[in-house]
Amino acid sequence: QKEVEQNSGPLSVPEGAIASLNCTYSDRGSQSFFWYRQYSGKSPELIMFIYSNGDKEDGRFTAQLNKASQYVSLLIRDSQPSDSATYLCAVTMFSGGYNKLIFGAGTRLAVHP
Amino acid sequence: DTGVSQDPRHKITKRGQNVTFRCDPISEHNRLYWYRQTLGQGPEFLTYFQNEAQLEKSRLLSDRFSAERPKGSFSTLEIQRTEQGDSAMYLCASSPEGTGMGDYGYTFGSGTRLTVV
Repeated sequence: QKEVEQNSGPLSVPEGAIASLNCTYSDRGSQSFFWYRQYSGKSPELIMFIYSNGDKEDGRFTAQLNKASQYVSLLIRDSQPSDSATYLCAVTMFSGGYNKLIFGAGTRLAVHP
Repeated sequence: DTGVSQDPRHKITKRGQNVTFRCDPISEHNRLYWYRQTLGQGPEFLTYFQNEAQLEKSRLLSDRFSAERPKGSFSTLEIQRTEQGDSAMYLCASSPEGTGMGDYGYTFGSGTRLTVV
């Protein structure tokens, strides 16, 4: 079992729709959860983080965390073509005495006009 | 200081040659990380520095790889005797100390794309 799992996609949604991206993780001790956006050929860019169960909203983005189910999601409302990118879920895992970010393989999102 | 800088952006090298990459983190960040990313995969952790101390090194990092962070400022990643399998994007990231609630996310540099021919 991979430490952080995401559906590779592509997830295709029409412009203006809600895009829902999901992620599961294996380590019950994980404390911090992040969503990064990565455009083709570019480096990852942090868009959301969440520490507590529930929802966290920032503009068109909502991160949802359910630690009991080991599940994190990202909702993008009013999707725009400029949101087309790969979305990486990242989770802190404690090993060797330190926390480090472990990434999923990413979900490719395509927003079509 | 506006972000994490990496140099060079691209490197093409012949198999068997040595290469060195440089990373300049955000100045107030004491934590520095190196990751490697191949096509269609997420970034894979390679190594972690807190100030000048290298605190963790992934099993992915063979003996041909070495990283340093002298004086806790910039860092270098050297690959000796490069192999075609080393072709990847090498990403450097930095972060401040975490809070009691959780860790801060990492800020990534633009990466160094290595092609071994």
